[in-house]
Amino acid sequence: SAVISQKPSRDICQRGTSLTIQCQVDSQVTMMFWYRQQPGQSLTLIATANQGSEATYESGFVIDKFPISRPNLTFSTLTVSNMSPEDSSIYLCSAQGGGETQYFGPGTRLLVL
Amino acid sequence: AQSVAQPEDQVNVAEGNPLTVKCTYSVSGNPYLFWYVQYPNRGLQFLLKYITGDNLVKGSYGFEAEFNKSQTSFHLKKPSALVSDSALYFCASSRPPGYQKVTFGTGTKLQVIP
Repeated sequence: SAVISQKPSRDICQRGTSLTIQCQVDSQVTMMFWYRQQPGQSLTLIATANQGSEATYESGFVIDKFPISRPNLTFSTLTVSNMSPEDSSIYLCSAQGGGETQYFGPGTRLLVL
Repeated sequence: AQSVAQPEDQVNVAEGNPLTVKCTYSVSGNPYLFWYVQYPNRGLQFLLKYITGDNLVKGSYGFEAEFNKSQTSFHLKKPSALVSDSALYFCASSRPPGYQKVTFGTGTKLQVIP
């Protein structure tokens, strides 16, 4: 299994600003993913981040709003740009190595005022 | 297309009683099936998975799940519930080979009553 950490764990931001969330994995992994979750609800996939290539975004999510970096096999960042209160959510990073299972970070709780 | 259904938003069970959290799937071919648990203010923790082989899968914290192909179900079970099992449970599916998008169910809140 992979151990995943995220920074920051939570933040309160002003509308119009941007926040970059970092995701660190304790081992090299092929695939990393970014999800959004409203408290108590299911997960929505934002994008898949592969090392050495551009992220693949799901319908409804665009690179200008959620730019993603994947500079190596253990690290990825998600930026939430030009934030509005609608972006208030939990952002989860996950990783999948050589097996079938995704492992998740603890999440970043974002409140936009 | 693949989908996962969790028909119960919430399940209440008395401490010490057996618990079942239901999941049905719609996946073409042979699915990979997973259960995750999310405690308050935490990320998702992997509990168990079915890939192939024995239909009864055992996982963490005494949980198990039974893959039933004819009923397209993958219900999560535990013989004796603990108050500490109270959490949000997600069923999920993907398709082989490995690196496929995972589809999550809507989640079931399990409340174990002392």
